[in-house]
Amino acid sequence: QVQLQESGPGLVKPSETLSLTCTVSGDSISSASFYWSWIRQHPGKGLEWIGYIYFSGSTYYNPSLKSRLTMSIDTSENQFSLKLSSVTAADTAVYYCATVNSWRVDYWGQGTLVTVSS
Amino acid sequence: QSALTQPASVSGSPGQSITISCTGTSGDVGRYDFVSWYQQHPGKVPKIVIYEGSKRPSGVSNRFSGSKSGNTASLTISGLRAEDEADYYCCSYAGRGTYVVFGGGTKLTVL
Repeated sequence: QVQLQESGPGLVKPSETLSLTCTVSGDSISSASFYWSWIRQHPGKGLEWIGYIYFSGSTYYNPSLKSRLTMSIDTSENQFSLKLSSVTAADTAVYYCATVNSWRVDYWGQGTLVTVSS
Repeated sequence: QSALTQPASVSGSPGQSITISCTGTSGDVGRYDFVSWYQQHPGKVPKIVIYEGSKRPSGVSNRFSGSKSGNTASLTISGLRAEDEADYYCCSYAGRGTYVVFGGGTKLTVL
């Protein structure tokens, strides 16, 4: 059973960079079983796929966010991370880290609310 | 605007069956057998109920079933129960470049 836990600031100022980390337990992040993913949900709205990173470091980003997005993986800490630059109020959302296997999301973190406000 | 189109709401009485549709294009739902469905209760984390169009994960009730016709996938819940009241999201693989698209979600009300 994979467990995921997001961590990072809950408040980010406009134009700054949102940074989140997901700590993985129950499996090695070097496992080829999963794509390590980020998904967000705007308040009261639907789900939006942000992107994912494979253990090799290969990344796959939502085209609408690609220019502002960087994902990385830290095998020594069993973590993967998200950085979203130049944020605006439209980036206020609950951010989930998750695992994707055969294009299904099997495991989700609890989610962390990030508010963009000055 | 979401890439996949779902009705905003559906409702049914206990014991009845309901179907939620998820309409995409020939580039996602119509092309790949990688449609999944997620149930989300208020304030909770989404939970997968169907994957690869019609497969049920271990532990999911057999009252949940999935199907596809053309560019439209469907989730059917039979024998409705009060605990089925939740938001439901469809999701599809959309090929290289886009990868994953979600529907806008459907609120199921059990009357």
